[in-house]
This record gives sequence, structure tokens and C-alpha cells, in this order.
Amino acid sequence: DTEVTQTPKHLVMGMTNKKSLKCEQHMGHRAMYWYKQKAKKPPELMFVYSYEKLSINESVPSRFSPECPNSSLLNLHLHALQPEDSALYLCASSPQGLQGRHSNQPQHFGDGTRLSIL
Amino acid sequence: GENVEQHPSTLSVQEGDSAVIKCTYSDSASNYFPWYKQELGKRPQLIIDIRSNVGEKKDQRIAVTLNKTAKHFSLHITETQPEDSAVYFCAATPPLYQGGKLIFGQGTELSVKP
Repeated sequence: DTEVTQTPKHLVMGMTNKKSLKCEQHMGHRAMYWYKQKAKKPPELMFVYSYEKLSINESVPSRFSPECPNSSLLNLHLHALQPEDSALYLCASSPQGLQGRHSNQPQHFGDGTRLSIL
Repeated sequence: GENVEQHPSTLSVQEGDSAVIKCTYSDSASNYFPWYKQELGKRPQLIIDIRSNVGEKKDQRIAVTLNKTAKHFSLHITETQPEDSAVYFCAATPPLYQGGKLIFGQGTELSVKP
């Protein structure tokens, strides 16, 4: 059983729609991540939240807007997406935040949301 | 920044044989090296990891070795089974003061034939 839960599992949307992806973890992890993954390619990092603050934005287009309402939840708001944005969107979490720490921790992934843009 | 090369890109073995996947990294400051297995349509699953102060780690049929001098690390799977078929990703992680991001290799598609 995955301990990082993502909803929805599948999403089909038009280029003018607005939708949100949700991610939840109850492991007390303080770092949460959004990744984009194309088939048989490695995950590409999009955003990192550490202690509920955005700490890394990998130059992601503004049509993707992350939000971290609390330490257990992570959202990704989508607006005016392009067909090339169709992909698997993965959320991950790890125990410790990225501030003042020198010991990296394992990242645990959710099952992802498979997004199709029409 | 860190760069990870992974080889081979595809690997086909007979059931019961061993499989070895190799990765090299560029940043000598990287200190954490996880391996993920991703079955078709599923999430990447952490299967084993190693830190820079350790040379080898084993977990049943899976082992990882790290050579810091040469900056390479390898995944070894013994007695392979059809359910080992998946895409495997290695990753290297620079220290957190350099961002702490996972830098993935390009993946190896392992096929275990019965």
C-alpha cells in the first residue's frame, strides 16, 4: 500500500479547463515534491516544498501553480495546459525538510495522476 | 551540477540469471544513492539505497555497491524472476546545501524471460 495518496488517478481536460491535482501523506514528512514523468523516462522535478514553503521551482511554466495548505497536503493547480503537458504527475514526500540538513532522506512516491490534455 | 549516466538502457536475462545495472555520477559531493523500480503504469518504488560512507548494501536478492573514487554505483539482482521485469532508475543526490534534489539516470528496462 502506498503511503502517499494522489487524486484523481486519471484526468482528461481541455486546454481551457482549470483543474487541480491533490496529494496527501500522513507520515509526518516535511518535504513534498511534484514530478512530471513521460513514458519510460525518469521523473522530472517540478517543485519542492520544505516545511510548507516553496523551496525549489524548476522553471516550471506558470500554467502550473503549486500550493501547500498544510504539512500533509500538496496541490497542483492546472490552467490553460498544452497537449505536451500530458504525462504522469507524481507526488513524493521525504522525512526531513531541506533547510539546514546535510543528510538526504528517501523520497516515497504516490501512484500518480495520469493527465491527458485534449 | 550533478549528472548521472545509466547503462544499459535495456537488459534481457533468463529467469534465474543475475542482472547488473551501472550508474556513474559527476559530483563527488553527492552522498546518497537510491534505486527505484517502476513497473508499467505504477509508481517508482524505492528498492534499495546506499550512502557515501558505505561500500555495499544487501537486501535478499538485491545488492548495491558504491565506488566513491571512481564515482560509480551498481545494482545487482541475483536469481532473477519474471516479476523483476520493470524499469529501474538510479539516482544521485548532492548535499542538501546544494539543493538536495534527486538526479535520475535515464533508466534501464529489465526483461526477465521465463
